[in-house]
Amino acid sequence: DAGVTQSPTHLIKTRGQQVTLRCSPKSGHDTVSWYQQALGQGPQFIFQYYEEEERQRGNFPDRFSGHQFPNYSSELNVNALLLGDSALYLCASSLGLAETSTDTQYFGPGTRLTVL
Amino acid sequence: GQSLEQPSEVTAVEGAIVQINCTYQTSGFYGLSWYQQHDGGAPTFLSYNALDGLEETGRFSSFLSRSDSYGYLLLQELQMKDSASYFCAVRDRDTGRRALTFGSGTRLQVQP
Repeated sequence: DAGVTQSPTHLIKTRGQQVTLRCSPKSGHDTVSWYQQALGQGPQFIFQYYEEEERQRGNFPDRFSGHQFPNYSSELNVNALLLGDSALYLCASSLGLAETSTDTQYFGPGTRLTVL
Repeated sequence: GQSLEQPSEVTAVEGAIVQINCTYQTSGFYGLSWYQQHDGGAPTFLSYNALDGLEETGRFSSFLSRSDSYGYLLLQELQMKDSASYFCAVRDRDTGRRALTFGSGTRLQVQP
């Protein structure tokens, strides 16, 4: 049973560039959430995709955008990179819209983004 | 908005019991989750409490008091492999049921 996979594992970009991160959810899951985790901090919710639509969004600027494909995989795009975007980007998958009381989110290993 | 507070670091010895507390402020609380994250690894789900009381899963237990906006994670028979960061996370009306708001994490160091 394949877990959540993310690519690439590490990425180095310079300020102003654009980046695309990819996520494949756990087998059988249809909902993908993206989180940003700065060093020494807890993950911060960016947005969630279900049925190829953004269903909920956290407090992140429009430079952060995403997409979900028919096979439930997802991409996170960040434009006009800033130094402060350096972080671990985590993808989490779950089944359904996570409104059940026992929703569990399964996290991928993350992509470490460094902006120079 | 919402906020969660948990201790930044806890140290304990192998075989001991440790309790990691979490207090939260939210609007329209739905539930409290706990996640474990080893250095360089992904957060992994440990437990979830939607109602008051204790949930037990093997060596780990989690407690919730909704009236006190307080919960804790109890780790028993500590093992070296339990050294990791532990995060409490809430699901609430502000972020919606579909998102988790995490605390800053408690780094647990288990010593021999």
